This record gives sequence, structure tokens and C-alpha cells, in this order.
Amino acid sequence: GAVVSQHPSRVICKSGTSVKIECRSLDFQATTMFWYRQFPKQSLMLMATSNEGSKATYEQGVEKDKFLINHASLTLSTLTVTSAHPEDSSFYICSARMGPGSPLHFGNGTRLTVT
Amino acid sequence: SQQGEEDPQALSIQEGENATMNCSYKTSINNLQWYRQNSGRGLVHLILIRSNEREKHSGRLRVTLDTSKKSSSLLITASRAADTASYFCATVPNFGNEKLTFGTGTRLTIIP
Repeated sequence: GAVVSQHPSRVICKSGTSVKIECRSLDFQATTMFWYRQFPKQSLMLMATSNEGSKATYEQGVEKDKFLINHASLTLSTLTVTSAHPEDSSFYICSARMGPGSPLHFGNGTRLTVT
Repeated sequence: SQQGEEDPQALSIQEGENATMNCSYKTSINNLQWYRQNSGRGLVHLILIRSNEREKHSGRLRVTLDTSKKSSSLLITASRAADTASYFCATVPNFGNEKLTFGTGTRLTIIP
């Protein structure tokens, strides 16, 4: 149980375009989802916390207008990278939890390459 | 900023040996969690230890927590090639929100 599906797994886009990444909790309801960014051989950096039905909470230094997060239902959160640039190329990972104090369940990540 | 620092950054051992990874953190925690990440994939939750616990076991995994030293260790016994992955500790603070803060990770390679 507790499966999180993230789509797409890989995406290549041209500079200036927008990319949407979906994160779905398949067999549980997730009131909170988290979006992370990971550079090669480095740890996960939390970008934002997504709460169902409310605005996302962004970490310091993360541009909310560039990384749009929508958590429209208890099973779906989306991250849209707007006007992507090569420096946005990274590995983006979402995670979800059933409730406070429960472990996080991660998607398999999305490798974004902006050319 | 990352709170957790893991040691060593990289570890290579022979299959069958035990692997020990350490994690240090800076602030008071509610719990500490260990995750595994295979290359290019998401993270898999391994074990959670609460601040009032000192040791926890799960199969071949053994986690210890020393809150006085603000450190934790993950021991993998009888390692297998499939254990090759990066291992991260993550802490949940004792107050405020429940955001996980991940450590820098240990890249473990098991040599068959």
C-alpha cells in the first residue's frame, strides 16, 4: 500500500516553455504533499509544502511564480515549472503522507532537462 | 539549509559484511527517519525512530538514536548487492511544522 505515482518520469523541454509534473497518491488520501528538488549526488531540498485546498507554502528562495503548485484534491498535486530555463534542469521528487506523524511516501521522481 | 550530516559520504564493502552509516543533526527532534534511494529513483522509507526511543530493528536494519549527542546510526547486517543505494536520514523537529529535513546522504556500494 501507500503508493505515490509521479508523472512524467522524464521530460525534455525547450527554454521558455512550461512543464507540468503530476503527483498522485494512488491508494490513500494525502492532505499534505511535498515537492523536492535534487541535484546530482546531493540531498533533497524542500521546495514547497502543498496542502489540499489551500495555497502552497514555499521555502525561502523558491520563486512561487516560477514553480506553481496546485493541490486540488486529496490525491493529486501538480508542480508547474513556468518559463523553464536550463538552470531549472534537475530531478524533482514529490512525496505524500496520510497525516501528521506518518512516514512520507515518495514518487519516483521526474528528470527535467531544459535545452 | 540541511540539518543532517551523514558520515561517511561514501562507503564500499564486500557482500555479506555489515554497513554502518551515521547521521548527526543540530536541533531538537520529534523523530528521525531513514530512507533509501536507488539511483534516479524516489526515496523509500526504511524506519522511523522517535525521540524517546534508543534503538529499533526492522529485518536486517538496526537504527540507534542518541539524543544527547544528536546522532543516529543505521546498521545493515549481512549486506547484499541489492542494498547498493544512497541512504538518507531525515529529521522532524520537536515543534513547529513537520517538515522533514534531509541529511547529505551516504552512498553505499556493495561489492559482490
